[in-house]
Amino acid sequence: LAKTTQPISMDSYEGQEVNITCSHNNIATNDYITWYQQFPSQGPRFIIQGYKTKVTNEVASLFIPADRKSSTLSLPRVSLSDTAVYYCLVDNYGQNFVFGPGTRLSVLP
Amino acid sequence: GAVVSQHPSWVICKSGTSVKIECRSLDFQATTMFWYRQFPKQSLMLMATSNEGSKATYEQGVEKDKFLINHASLTLSTLTVTSAHPEDSSFYICSASAGTSGRTDTQYFGPGTRLTVL
Repeated sequence: LAKTTQPISMDSYEGQEVNITCSHNNIATNDYITWYQQFPSQGPRFIIQGYKTKVTNEVASLFIPADRKSSTLSLPRVSLSDTAVYYCLVDNYGQNFVFGPGTRLSVLP
Repeated sequence: GAVVSQHPSWVICKSGTSVKIECRSLDFQATTMFWYRQFPKQSLMLMATSNEGSKATYEQGVEKDKFLINHASLTLSTLTVTSAHPEDSSFYICSASAGTSGRTDTQYFGPGTRLTVL
């Protein structure tokens, strides 16, 4: 199982761009990278998934370098409602999700 | 799309009783469902993986006789906590995957069920 490492916590201010980097040095060829957001007392919410280069959707972008040993979740212009825990996971076929401690993002006014 | 529901959203029970939690995929067929447990301020811990029509695979340290999992259809899985005790109080979350072959399949999570055992 590819292990991931993320910063435990980050602070930001409203309107700023936030980049959360995840290290996954042992990522396997078939592994995809998936990011989830979790609010207190709620289940994780899918944000974005990618395999290589760059993926963008309506809420975030995911940047993956060529060696795929890390990935960066980019949240443009965060608001107070983006305060949450963000999890980076790598797995093959959605079968081996191992949740690390995640990154606790606090957005300040 | 990809909506997963759980019922109940919260439950309080007396020690020694059994509690059943339902997990449903509302708009897709889930070949695989997962059950997680999350204690306050901690990350999610996978308890078991279940495939429709077969026995669940439990993670090490999870008592299969205490946490009964049934995945009888492609849209429903249930977790029954038998003879619940206060230490079983936790936030239980299910997820579902469509399991399409050939690519990784995202897990979509339910809203969770808060279990409190008195």
